[in-house]
Amino acid sequence: DAGVTQSPTHLIKTRGQQVTLRCSPKSGHDTVSWYQQALGQGPQFIFQYYEEEERQRGNFPDRFSGHQFPNYSSELNVNALLLGDSALYLCASSSRGHYQPQHFGDGTRLSIL
Amino acid sequence: TQLLEQSPQFLSIQEGENLTVYCNSSSVFSSLQWYRQEPGEGPVLLVTVVTGGEVKKLKRLTFQFGDARKDSSLHITAAQPGDTGLYLCAGEAKTSYDKVIFGPGTSLSVIP
Repeated sequence: DAGVTQSPTHLIKTRGQQVTLRCSPKSGHDTVSWYQQALGQGPQFIFQYYEEEERQRGNFPDRFSGHQFPNYSSELNVNALLLGDSALYLCASSSRGHYQPQHFGDGTRLSIL
Repeated sequence: TQLLEQSPQFLSIQEGENLTVYCNSSSVFSSLQWYRQEPGEGPVLLVTVVTGGEVKKLKRLTFQFGDARKDSSLHITAAQPGDTGLYLCAGEAKTSYDKVIFGPGTSLSVIP
């Protein structure tokens, strides 16, 4: 039973470019959340997708957008990259409902030069 | 804005010692989770506490949720080098259960 998988594992971009990160949820999960984790800090909630729609959003600009596909996989898109976007981007999947445990992938390490 | 604070930020102890890390907020959470994260990996869920005053044990780890559901603690007995990692608490907002807020973490190093 595969857990949450993310691709790519590492990515290097330059300022102003655009990036797409991908996430496949754990089997049986229908909800995907994305987090940004800067070095030495806890993860910050970006947004959550369920039934192919964005359900909740954290304090991130519109440059951050996402998508969920019918098979529950998800993409995170970031436009006009800034140096400050350098971070570990984590995807977590869960089942819908209260207190459902989140399972995290190992993240995509994004470096902006 | 709901915020979670964790203390201490860093902790370095000898193998066999006991320790407690804390997670505090001025907000009430419907549930609180504790995760451990190792370098290069995603956080791994250790426990979820839901009821105020709840105590859960996981081998040498004891988790407590405050009566008012605003704070939590993690106590490790006889720490082992394998306990080394970043310990994160995360709260599920009372008004929006989809949005999980993480604290900044406590980085624990257990020296053999």
